[in-house]
Amino acid sequence: NAGVTQTPKFRILKIGQSMTLQCAQDMNHNYMYWYRQDPGMGLKLIYYSVGAGITDKGEVPNGYNVSRSTTEDFPLRLELAAPSQTSVYFCASSAQVGYTFGSGTRLTVV
Amino acid sequence: KNEVEQSPQNLTAQEGEFITINCSYSVGISALHWLQQHPGGGIVSLFMLSSGKKKHGRLIATINIQEKHSSLHITASHPRDSAVYICAVPPYSGGGADGLTFGKGTHLIIQP
Repeated sequence: NAGVTQTPKFRILKIGQSMTLQCAQDMNHNYMYWYRQDPGMGLKLIYYSVGAGITDKGEVPNGYNVSRSTTEDFPLRLELAAPSQTSVYFCASSAQVGYTFGSGTRLTVV
Repeated sequence: KNEVEQSPQNLTAQEGEFITINCSYSVGISALHWLQQHPGGGIVSLFMLSSGKKKHGRLIATINIQEKHSSLHITASHPRDSAVYICAVPPYSGGGADGLTFGKGTHLIIQP
């Protein structure tokens, strides 16, 4: 049972480049989330999904897009990367028993 | 929208000490989460509780729903307990599907 798997673990992007952060879970959880964590701040919700085909914006969605074509996968797309998107990104899934987080992706935009 | 306050922000203690971390929130909730994050590491869920007390090993979490307050206790603390401890709650009363609102975390260092 792998839980929540995020790739890549580290990435450096140049301003204006695009990339997709991958997230997959094998627990058949309906709810999935993308958060970003900035130094000295609590995690902020970017996007979330309550099931395949359903996504919604969180607190800080600008500059990001998501899709949820299957229950397992919830990729986060960054278009036209900006220095303000330098952060650590966490994917998570949840069920009645609580949350499971991925190991995080440390992204630097230069 | 719920607001979460944790205290203290930083805590340094000696090995063996009893540790208490506090969390207050502003809006009634269905459940509160305590999470642990080691430096440079991922986030691990420690507890989800909606009432009373839960215990796992040397960790104890309590919640007072009426006072909108929770505490995380560590007994017989050890250097491996050094981490950031994060409190999180649903953003709105009765919510949960739309994610969590997180405190800024308590940085705990246990010195040998």
